[in-house]
Amino acid sequence: DQQVKQNSPSLSVQEGRISILNCDYTNSMFDYFLWYKKYPAEGPTFLISISSIKDKNEDGRFTVFLNKSAKHLSLHIVPSQPGDSAVYFCAASDDYKLSFGAGTTVTVRA
Amino acid sequence: SQTIHQWPATLVQPVGSPLSLECTVEGTSNPNLYWYRQAAGRGLQLLFYSVGIGQISSEVPQNLSASRPQDRQFILSSKKLLLSDSGFYLCAWSRTNHYGYTFGSGTRLTVV
Repeated sequence: DQQVKQNSPSLSVQEGRISILNCDYTNSMFDYFLWYKKYPAEGPTFLISISSIKDKNEDGRFTVFLNKSAKHLSLHIVPSQPGDSAVYFCAASDDYKLSFGAGTTVTVRA
Repeated sequence: SQTIHQWPATLVQPVGSPLSLECTVEGTSNPNLYWYRQAAGRGLQLLFYSVGIGQISSEVPQNLSASRPQDRQFILSSKKLLLSDSGFYLCAWSRTNHYGYTFGSGTRLTVV
């Protein structure tokens, strides 16, 4: 049973516009959430994270929002750049073990 | 600085053959170690994790096994591969009680 879900397998956005990636979870014990970015044939790399006691965390062009009551988080990328084209995984931690979503492939168009 | 090495990068194996994938971490001691698999069209599935030498926890019953013979070495094995074992295998490490995982570069396994 998948506890972390990314229901949009792909997203296409024009360069300079905002990319919004969504993630839903079912386990109320999750206390920390992360986003990872993955290029083909490489391992995922850490992008940004948020603790369950916060509702927003910002790092440069990347902002993560957490809505605990809805068990939903989102990643905003503004402005989107060609180098942002990759697969983005949402992850949630329960006792320091990460559960990952299926990923969203982002394509940034010139 | 800490580094994680995973090999081989790609592997094509016939059904029924054995498997051994190796992962080593440098620059840290007593790391938590993980094996994940990414099957086609699916997310990252946790297969095994280890918090110390000889301590292996299995998350999913399957055709695979893991071992940790040394503090910074994690091995994924199979005695007889199945077609369904094909996928992208990732090793990762983290510090105890830390959320951030660092992943290796992965192994693309194709069982034919």
